[in-house]
Amino acid sequence: DAGVIQSPRHEVTEMGQEVTLRCKPISGHNSLFWYRQTMMRGLELLIYFNNNVPIDDSGMPEDRFSAKMPNASFSTLKIQPSEPRDSAVYFCASSFRQVETQYFGPGTRLLVL
Amino acid sequence: KQEVTQIPAALSVPEGENLVLNCSFTDSAIYNLQWFRQDPGKGLTSLLLIQSSQREQTSGRLNASLDKSSGRSTLYIAASQPGDSATYLCAVINSGGSNYKLTFGKGTLLTVNP
Repeated sequence: DAGVIQSPRHEVTEMGQEVTLRCKPISGHNSLFWYRQTMMRGLELLIYFNNNVPIDDSGMPEDRFSAKMPNASFSTLKIQPSEPRDSAVYFCASSFRQVETQYFGPGTRLLVL
Repeated sequence: KQEVTQIPAALSVPEGENLVLNCSFTDSAIYNLQWFRQDPGKGLTSLLLIQSSQREQTSGRLNASLDKSSGRSTLYIAASQPGDSATYLCAVINSGGSNYKLTFGKGTLLTVNP
């Protein structure tokens, strides 16, 4: 298996632009997680899905962030409009079940100017 | 609210030394505890998962222990090698309810010098 796939790997955009991050989980995994990592705050869970249903979105910073999982093999995290404070590395992870080992993708490095 | 703390924040050791990384958590009602490794510019790689009913798990030169009642876990690395240099993070899943999200510590940056 190719592991968790994220795209793009790097994104540089200007403040106010829409940003869409994409994730393909490992085939057969039922849970998908979106994290954000910064030096100041460490690794934070933004939202996670189980069987394509959002379970916990309490980590989503504000209404500018939204996430979807239209099917078991694809998820998006959208930021609209983006702000400089959104600059971070965004990771997607998946697991067979919610409580089992999570497998992380390589991350998307986002820089908002 | 669960809080996970890792001490020390950074550690530098000579090659061949045995070392211990510490993790503590404030709410002992956990489902499991996981240790991860993160190399610079990369994603996280799972090292060990300890269920709440277990006391320890071993994988090669790594041994992780769990004392749930005191809210502590340690990761023991034997005969450290330069390739072990990375950031090590621990994370816990709380039990109860239907929300099984991981809460992470901020990690320990390990440098093993040749």
